[in-house]
Amino acid sequence: DTEVTQTPKHLVMGMTNKKSLKCEQHMGHRAMYWYKQKAKKPPELMFVYSYEKLSINESVPSRFSPECPNSSLLNLHLHALQPEDSALYLCASSPTSGSIGEQFFGPGTRLTVL
Amino acid sequence: AQSVSQHNHHVILSEAASLELGCNYSYGGTVNLFWYVQYPGQHLQLLLKYFSGDPLVKGIKGFEAEFIKSKFSFNLRKPSVQWSDTAEYFCAVNPQTGANNLFFGTGTRLTVIP
Repeated sequence: DTEVTQTPKHLVMGMTNKKSLKCEQHMGHRAMYWYKQKAKKPPELMFVYSYEKLSINESVPSRFSPECPNSSLLNLHLHALQPEDSALYLCASSPTSGSIGEQFFGPGTRLTVL
Repeated sequence: AQSVSQHNHHVILSEAASLELGCNYSYGGTVNLFWYVQYPGQHLQLLLKYFSGDPLVKGIKGFEAEFIKSKFSFNLRKPSVQWSDTAEYFCAVNPQTGANNLFFGTGTRLTVIP
């Protein structure tokens, strides 16, 4: 299995809702990532987990809360989002978190905040 | 500031034309370099990568890229494009600082006309 899967594919939520994005990989990778991609822009790194511990938080607002329950799963909990948070949220994984670099991306969750 | 630049925002070519997409980066140390492709409605896929060794790397689907260290460049090439190459192309850099941060360029949209 060489896939990174993400659910849901699409999500529409109000500014007062709480929702979660899920990401899963079964490649034995020990590093997992969340990116945010606005339309016609490159992906921007949000969080990095290495061996289930948060290693990088790129100054992301606290309304985004990541969680890594185990080495295969990565969640992104959303609360009190703003319309400008509407974007494609990408999950990725890589074998390690060292400077190897090659990351495998999931298809993303397209989030719309009303 | 450290950055990854892709100067071509939108390239339009006819089938069988040759392609060269520019990528320049400004990180001072050793880097790993990547080209990712995002076909319409699909997730990011790795085209090719450079870690060390031969600066001319070959990837999937007939793509190749050349790392020129003195120019801080990693340009993507293909001798003869096909309609199916229509996609967004992202150059990405991983500075070898011990963390698996992947920084993307702004992307180049390639449209191939049949």
